[in-house]
Amino acid sequence: DTGVSQDPRHKITKRGQNVTFRCDPISEHNRLYWYRQTLGQGPEFLTYFQNEAQLEKSRLLSDRFSAERPKGSFSTLEIQRTEQGDSAMYLCASSLALREFGDTQYFGPGTRLTVL
Amino acid sequence: GENVEQHPSTLSVQEGDSAVIKCTYSDSASNYFPWYKQELGKRPQLIIDIRSNVGEKKDQRIAVTLNKTAKHFSLHITETQPEDSAVYFCAASINAGGTSYGKLTFGQGTILTVHP
Repeated sequence: DTGVSQDPRHKITKRGQNVTFRCDPISEHNRLYWYRQTLGQGPEFLTYFQNEAQLEKSRLLSDRFSAERPKGSFSTLEIQRTEQGDSAMYLCASSLALREFGDTQYFGPGTRLTVL
Repeated sequence: GENVEQHPSTLSVQEGDSAVIKCTYSDSASNYFPWYKQELGKRPQLIIDIRSNVGEKKDQRIAVTLNKTAKHFSLHITETQPEDSAVYFCAASINAGGTSYGKLTFGQGTILTVHP
């Protein structure tokens, strides 16, 4: 499968624990996005990278959230001291952002986080 | 920031009928408008997109129209089939390839049900 992959697909944790999710983008894609989706809502932007650089972070992303893309390939999203309000589907998307082609984003299957 | 409103929130049609979903956006700088289909428990899948330099785009039974002046765009599905049943999301972004902002702002979603 050459699409965007995410691991784990499901994560159940207790409040106060730290969790880390991984996203592997489509191999030649230079941009990687993280979104959060709660039930019945559209995805909400969290942050994105162009290669290794984190170019923008949403105000939704509190200090407990951190994301990295150390070698411009896979990315990790860590949530520290999880709260019940963090329960959601965390989606990753990647794109090949070239001036002449625009920035079409392809999504991974998501990681569903449940905080007890 | 950008705000995208989507209507209706639910849409029920008979197989073979047409379905229309409408979205409005607030930021006149937005120039890229994708539509995603999301089946229960699955990833959002891009079904069609349009850029602001065209007013209409069609792909088999799916078409999208854009009115930049009024800042709204619509998804049209003709000859609907039961497998078209899903949640559909519109989105908007400022997209110019390598130098774009890229992040998508999504609408709230439309639950489309096609009855056989």
